[in-house]
Amino acid sequence: NAGVTQTPKFRILKIGQSMTLQCTQDMNHNYMYWYRQDPGMGLKLIYYSVGAGITDKGEVPNGYNVSRSTTEDFPLRLELAAPSQTSVYFCASSYSRGSSYNEQFFGPGTRLTVL
Amino acid sequence: GQQLNQSPQSMFIQEGEDVSMNCTSSSIFNTWLWYKQDPGEGPVLLIALYKAGELTSNGRLTAQFGITRKDSFLNISASIPSDVGIYFCAGAYYNAGNNRKLIWGLGTSLAVNP
Repeated sequence: NAGVTQTPKFRILKIGQSMTLQCTQDMNHNYMYWYRQDPGMGLKLIYYSVGAGITDKGEVPNGYNVSRSTTEDFPLRLELAAPSQTSVYFCASSYSRGSSYNEQFFGPGTRLTVL
Repeated sequence: GQQLNQSPQSMFIQEGEDVSMNCTSSSIFNTWLWYKQDPGEGPVLLIALYKAGELTSNGRLTAQFGITRKDSFLNISASIPSDVGIYFCAGAYYNAGNNRKLIWGLGTSLAVNP
């Protein structure tokens, strides 16, 4: 299994440009997540999905959009890039069932700079 | 948004020393997690705790779920250079109706001098 893969690894955007960060998992996990990590900070949840066709906002959703048309893919869209969106973006997935925690597996991250 | 208080923020130690870090929350949790992030990588789960008072080990790592359900600590014994990285605590109160969102600490950056 490849686990959670993310593309691209690095990207530089100009203010106002748009882009899609790709995330794919091959573990048949039902839950998927997008986080951002600013320098010296912890992870903040942007959006998450509990299954194909279902998405919900996290802590910092403004400026982003997501879709979940398949179990495997969970792309994150930036429509009008702003310098405040310069960050490292992590995608994660987990197989969650019942009331207990199931481990979130993380991708390697996408480093985005908006100039 | 809600965040955990994780301390210390950073540590610089000599190889072979023991390390201790902790997290506190204003809310009770039924799950505490400790993750490690290597430079340029995503976080990887080290230890998961599900019960108040639980003490769990993973090699040289030991973590405990506080009795009050509002805190947790992680100890690393006999540190080695590969322990370098950022350690994050994360907590959640999971039940059958909620959506499995974690609350994250800001991380403890560990440097080990060989």
